[in-house]
Amino acid sequence: QVQLVESGGGVVQPGRSLRLSCVASGFRFSGYGMHWVRQAPGKGLEWVAFISYDGSNKYYADSVKGRFSISRDDSKNTLYLQMNSLRAEDTAVYYCAKDYVSSGIFDYWGQGTVVTVSS
Amino acid sequence: EIVLTQSPATLSLSPGERATLSCRASQSVSSYLAWYQQKPGQAPRLLIYDASNRASGIPARFSGSGSGTDFTLSISSLEPEDFAVYYCQQRSNWPGTFGPGTKVDIK
Repeated sequence: QVQLVESGGGVVQPGRSLRLSCVASGFRFSGYGMHWVRQAPGKGLEWVAFISYDGSNKYYADSVKGRFSISRDDSKNTLYLQMNSLRAEDTAVYYCAKDYVSSGIFDYWGQGTVVTVSS
Repeated sequence: EIVLTQSPATLSLSPGERATLSCRASQSVSSYLAWYQQKPGQAPRLLIYDASNRASGIPARFSGSGSGTDFTLSISSLEPEDFAVYYCQQRSNWPGTFGPGTKVDIK
């Protein structure tokens, strides 16, 4: 069965960096686009970034553009999110999600990893 | 950016009752609308995609309808495990945006 397991979250000071990872199993990782979606405490869902199945296309929410970078390593079945210049408003649970045939539909989600930006 | 509005914000119902949730888009999204269920402390789960298609493993009591700007998620008879927050999401315009959610709680 499809499994997505995120890691790398934690408490970080404003302006610092953090890298999240998402290890995938149960499907052919190299054949699917992947997303990061976040949820601030007590709030709704916000799409953050997308990478196509072959890594050739990457898109970002305006709120993170220029600060966050999405990447993938198909040899390790792993998705990454490099987060630089972190702000308090980046505090959230970060989920990785599999794309349903590059459609913008999130058909499987990980359990999430918590990022807290605080001094 | 397409803005999604969900109503009501909270729906209080008893097990066995029918739930009807609404999602309205600020402009047409054709049929490119999905519904997700999220329980406390859990990740969202895809229920419905492209307005009316049930995702794999989703019970038949969940159904979706609508097109253009007005969409409905119906739960024919609420089971105890259905009490949760439901989000709609459009993928017509990149990036996909989510609605604010409707909480279905026990009356």
